[in-house]
Amino acid sequence: GQQLNQSPQSMFIQEGEDVSMNCTSSSIFNTWLWYKQDPGEGPVLLIALYKAGELTSNGRLTAQFGITRKDSFLNISASIPSDVGIYFCAGQGERRNAGGTSYGKLTFGQGTILTVHP
Amino acid sequence: ETGVTQTPRHLVMGMTNKKSLKCEQHLGHNAMYWYKQSAKKPLELMFVYNFKEQTENNSVPSRFSPECPNSSHLFLHLHTLQPEDSALYLCASSLIRTDLYGYTFGSGTRLTVV
Repeated sequence: GQQLNQSPQSMFIQEGEDVSMNCTSSSIFNTWLWYKQDPGEGPVLLIALYKAGELTSNGRLTAQFGITRKDSFLNISASIPSDVGIYFCAGQGERRNAGGTSYGKLTFGQGTILTVHP
Repeated sequence: ETGVTQTPRHLVMGMTNKKSLKCEQHLGHNAMYWYKQSAKKPLELMFVYNFKEQTENNSVPSRFSPECPNSSHLFLHLHTLQPEDSALYLCASSLIRTDLYGYTFGSGTRLTVV
């Protein structure tokens, strides 16, 4: 099956520092997504990427869809304490049934646990 | 509030109990999912339902029994669980053609088996 390797597994940084994490895959994906999970909550979508090479920002967050379609990274600039949480990448392939409909199941990375010290 | 509501938020049950987790969405999605998240482990996909039909069961023990009566509701029936089943159980929903919207997750049910 498809595998996603997300790194680093955890990060301990000082407030104000920039953060970078990435995911690599053995398979090609059509979509890359980045989620954040606050303690005790479900993951929430941060950024979605739909095209190879695409660079997208959402406030202090920037994510890129790798040219090879097998990787993606997420950067957080000027981190603040509320950035604490688990960040997940997710890739989505595509498959078609006889009727031509696509059913894109998400494959999740293992998560990056981010701790920000004030 | 994400649009996917899970109840209860917390559940403590004995190994001989029977309980059910509920998930509800009114986003117009037609696919629903159960995930298990244990401490220091990645998200584990348990079940997938497309248009109320189960399309995937990832070798989940029979003590977990899903039910999807319609596209808006999903249940996970639990019986004779083990302590190692303690985890955060997450429900998610999506449109089957999900290349545009991804999954929307609920806040989860924190399950403790004693």
